Amino acid sequence: AQKITQTQPGMFVQEKEAVTLDCTYDTSDPSYGLFWYKQPSSGEMIFLIYQGSYDQQNATEGRYSLNFQKARKSANLVISASQLGDSAMYFCAMREGTGNQFYFGTGTSLTVIP
Amino acid sequence: DAGVIQSPRHEVTEMGQEVTLRCKPISGHDYLFWYRQTMMRGLELLIYFNNNVPIDDSGMPEDRFSAKMPNASFSTLKIQPSEPRDSAVYFCASSLWGNDEQYFGPGTRLTVT
Repeated sequence: AQKITQTQPGMFVQEKEAVTLDCTYDTSDPSYGLFWYKQPSSGEMIFLIYQGSYDQQNATEGRYSLNFQKARKSANLVISASQLGDSAMYFCAMREGTGNQFYFGTGTSLTVIP
Repeated sequence: DAGVIQSPRHEVTEMGQEVTLRCKPISGHDYLFWYRQTMMRGLELLIYFNNNVPIDDSGMPEDRFSAKMPNASFSTLKIQPSEPRDSAVYFCASSLWGNDEQYFGPGTRLTVT
C-alpha cells in the first residue's frame, strides 16, 4: 500500500483564491510527522509546513495551513490568497515513528491563473 | 547559512562512464540523505547517513551505486558504470535531527547518453 497518496495530479486556482491540495497517508504507528514541500520549475525542494501526529492544533505558516484530520488520515495543504509564484509541484511526505526515512507522494501540480 | 550545496548542477555523460555527485550539508546537521527523482518513480530515497555513518542503503538500486561521507561536511554519490536509465535529478538533503524537516540542495540533473 502507498504510504502517501496525492490524488490530484494537477490543480488550477484563480489568483487571490484559496486552494486545497489533498494528501492521505497510511501508517499504523501512532507517532509520525507530516510535511509539505514545494518544487517550483527551477527544481529545488522547499520545505513549507510540518504537522506532528500528537499536535493538537493544525499547523500554520503564513498563507499555508495544514488541515489535519487524524481519523481520516488526511493532511491537506491549504494555500490562502494564491499568488502567481505559488505555481509549482507540491509534495506531501511522511516520517513514520522515530524512523528517519521520508515517504513522498507523487505530487500535485498547481497552476495559479491570473 | 548557504544551505545544502550540490555540484555539479548538470552532468552529461556517456554510458559506461563514472559519475560522481557531491554534496555539502548544512553545517551542524547530523543527517544526510540522497534522493533520486524521475517522472516515472517520483522521489526515491537512495541512502542516508547519521554522523557520517550509512544507516540505510536499501534504496540504492544496484552495486553500480555507492555513497560515502568521509566527514561531516561532504558526501559523494558515485555511479560506475553509468547507464541511460540512471538519468534523473539527484537531490541531497540534510536535517538536524532524523525526524526533523529535511533541507534539500538544488539537485544535480544527470543525463546519461
